[in-house]
Amino acid sequence: ETGVTQTPRHLVMGMTNKKSLKCEQHLGHNAMYWYKQSAKKPLELMFVYSLEERVENNSVPSRFSPECPNSSHLFLHLHTLQPEDSALYLCASSQDAGEGSNEQFFGPGTRLTVL
Amino acid sequence: AQSVSQHNHHVILSEAASLELGCNYSYGGTVNLFWYVQYPGQHLQLLLKYFSGDPLVKGIKGFEAEFIKSKFSFNLRKPSVQWSDTAEYFCAVTPRDNYGQNFVFGPGTRLSVLP
Repeated sequence: ETGVTQTPRHLVMGMTNKKSLKCEQHLGHNAMYWYKQSAKKPLELMFVYSLEERVENNSVPSRFSPECPNSSHLFLHLHTLQPEDSALYLCASSQDAGEGSNEQFFGPGTRLTVL
Repeated sequence: AQSVSQHNHHVILSEAASLELGCNYSYGGTVNLFWYVQYPGQHLQLLLKYFSGDPLVKGIKGFEAEFIKSKFSFNLRKPSVQWSDTAEYFCAVTPRDNYGQNFVFGPGTRLSVLP
């Protein structure tokens, strides 16, 4: 148990559906991250939030919409996804986004399948 | 932009064999370096990290890594592997002058240890 939880663990959705992924961290961290893990590809950083403010968006399509209502919770809202968006979506947190404190703690991930 | 390469996609060893997994990064500035492990069906966990000081870093479960600045390398080693070390191993880099926001992972190396 890393202190970072994600729900749901598995999600199957059609291309016209709207769904949300949830991440919660119980570590008192100030920075949270969304990653995409696809087969045979490096982990891709999608979004970074520091103190509830988005600080990075790595050119992610607008069909992915993050929300960070407070430092403990992070959401990823999904709509009109494509089959190639099927992947494992990982949430992580770190103490902050500052120098020397950026060991990341990962959640178990949500396995997303888009039909 | 920085990048991380890992030399081997899949390594197969017998128990008690020695392990070395290669990791090279490209970035001109000062970096923090990490090795993460993902056991089958489990979340990513930190094995070890290097921020500064002694370039030979010891981590959990008998793993160690050596930072060689001149070679931009951070290879992971273990003198004698066990079947339970079967997992995927990811090297990661973050530039220290970018406040840890650009966390870049390598593509991963799958290690299979035969009993």
